[in-house]
Amino acid sequence: QSALTQPPSASGSPGQSVTISCTGTSSYNYVSWYQQHPGKAPKLMIYEVNKRPSGVPDRFSGSKSGNTASLTVSGLQAEDEADYYCSSYAGGNILGYVFGTGTKVTVL
Amino acid sequence: QITLKESGRTLVKPTQTLTLTCTFSGFSLSTSGVGVGWIRQPPGKALEWLALIYWDDDKRYSPSLKSRLTITKDTSKNQVVLTVTNMDPVDTATYYCAHRRGWVHTFDVWGQGAMVTVSS
Repeated sequence: QSALTQPPSASGSPGQSVTISCTGTSSYNYVSWYQQHPGKAPKLMIYEVNKRPSGVPDRFSGSKSGNTASLTVSGLQAEDEADYYCSSYAGGNILGYVFGTGTKVTVL
Repeated sequence: QITLKESGRTLVKPTQTLTLTCTFSGFSLSTSGVGVGWIRQPPGKALEWLALIYWDDDKRYSPSLKSRLTITKDTSKNQVVLTVTNMDPVDTATYYCAHRRGWVHTFDVWGQGAMVTVSS
């Protein structure tokens, strides 16, 4: 199965919003988003398209339209600078997962 | 509190078999819906899902690596083991294990990762 497609980079100034797209998600509403700081393990930010785990700020939100999912970070803060990866559950005969190509978010 | 930790050899030679162990706490792999997955990340590159084992011993593998991967669990020891055969330098990566929430298709807690280098 092919990786999901994300833009390589995105940026915004503190307080602004940035939206990252993820193309190729399956028809399942099982899209997750992970944040990864350099040298650290990924951290779950969004699951099932738009649900936030406990402790994740509500500045992070997710949505999906057709086969494209999106992550929006509102009110950008310096600590939001990181790599972001989408992931989707792949049904069919795989019943596994696929990750996106990753997006580097820079806070200007 | 759920924690996972990867362990195993950090340097393997080409053609050798890699064995990685994920030791976890805070949950049971006999609980309905729960799973443990393996994901890797080559230096500077994206995450890649490798395998997943479910509470009922159902196993799923990445189609592109299926012939080289084996995932097993030891519920009594709270461990999941991943073996990768015929290692190649392109398999150099940080290997993560992660907890899959029961009946939710996401990896909500990750281990710290184990860096594996393939070199002669």
